[in-house]
Amino acid sequence: DAGITQSPRHKVTETGTPVTLRCHQTENHRYMYWYRQDPGHGLRLIHYSYGVKDTDKGEVSDGYSVSRSKTEDFLLTLESATSSQTSVYFCAISRLAGVETQYFGPGTRLLVL
Amino acid sequence: QQQVKQSPQSLIVQKGGISIINCAYENTAFDYFPWYQQFPGKGPALLIAIRPDVSEKKEGRFTISFNKSAKQFSLHIMDSQPGDSATYFCAASILNNNDMRFGAGTRLTVKP
Repeated sequence: DAGITQSPRHKVTETGTPVTLRCHQTENHRYMYWYRQDPGHGLRLIHYSYGVKDTDKGEVSDGYSVSRSKTEDFLLTLESATSSQTSVYFCAISRLAGVETQYFGPGTRLLVL
Repeated sequence: QQQVKQSPQSLIVQKGGISIINCAYENTAFDYFPWYQQFPGKGPALLIAIRPDVSEKKEGRFTISFNKSAKQFSLHIMDSQPGDSATYFCAASILNNNDMRFGAGTRLTVKP
């Protein structure tokens, strides 16, 4: 998985609680992404980062926030988890934007009860 | 609104057969079209990609066919093997843009 780790790999939480997912890379790639994967929707971009402290929203950003204080770490926070945020979350990295391969991490399976 | 539409949702092919997955896109600004392969419990991995300046790209048993005027592209897997059983995603993006759009995925099963 191209030097990308995600933690935790599995999490069960309750509605209304905050949740933070971590993505860590050892490739020194500039761009980092958070996607969610749901049946029938493929992968949808939540947020991305184009450098330390530089982030922007993706297609489905409502209810999520991100932070990147170091090149290697990109955090995704669900401020108040809802059942609709039950999903598999993937982190991805790339050297360039748009026309460069994105390398995906192993995913985090999140269940919100 | 899904900008990349993928079909079929699932596909069953006999070993040695040809698997064909189709995608159609709406945004004519897209200029990078990758295909990703995903095995259960794993993240997607790039399989093959094409730019719109060519109509076909082949890598081993995998071929992308691209029709710019029809805004369609497809993945052909020749001599399909049971090890090819996975979910395949097409995607599209724009140069210098971080918003890659994915199709909904096709679950391929190759029967021995």
